[in-house]
Amino acid sequence: EIQLQESGPGLVKPSQSLSLTCSVTGYTITSGYDWSWIRKFPGNKMEWMGYISYSGSTNYNPSLKSRISITRDTSKNQFFLQLNSVTTEDTATYYCARRRRNYGYNYWGQGVMVTVSS
Amino acid sequence: DIVLTQSPALAVSLGQRATISCRASESVRSSMHWYQQKSGQQPKLLIYGASNLASGVPARFSGSGSGTDFTFTIDPVEADDIATYYCQQSRNDPTFGAGTKLELK
Repeated sequence: EIQLQESGPGLVKPSQSLSLTCSVTGYTITSGYDWSWIRKFPGNKMEWMGYISYSGSTNYNPSLKSRISITRDTSKNQFFLQLNSVTTEDTATYYCARRRRNYGYNYWGQGVMVTVSS
Repeated sequence: DIVLTQSPALAVSLGQRATISCRASESVRSSMHWYQQKSGQQPKLLIYGASNLASGVPARFSGSGSGTDFTFTIDPVEADDIATYYCQQSRNDPTFGAGTKLELK
């Protein structure tokens, strides 16, 4: 069974960096698909943040491009999100998900709530 | 960005049909997907490619449309279907609709 699990701090101070890990079990992230980060803001708006493909290429939401980095550790079957210079507007629930383009996101993590506050 | 517009809420009676619409600001061909999200849970893929049922999803869920206008239907509605439903396009960089909250009459 394929499972994704996010982990990371639930509280980040403004201007600092937000770092999250997505641990994948049941599927090797280098075998296929895009491995994505999506967030849901209070009020329910959902935003695609970016992905790292099975080959290691990345694509980011242009609105975040200057602040975001998605990397991976293939030996641990994990991928990571780093978002720099956070503000209170980055407070959201962060999800990792697996996508095959034109087939939707068919596996999601449970989500981790991150609050940006001093 | 392609903007997806959904009505914010829909009230329906158990056993009746629920129809949710999603309009795209430009054509996404058939690259539209639908998700269900219950309170406190992650989204669940129900429909991909506008009209294809995701694995394990009951046949009372369906989707249709192409281009800019899409419809998601639940028929008949069951109590377990009370949730928020999102459309999402993958024609360009992914975007999501604002969600339609399905409520009971």
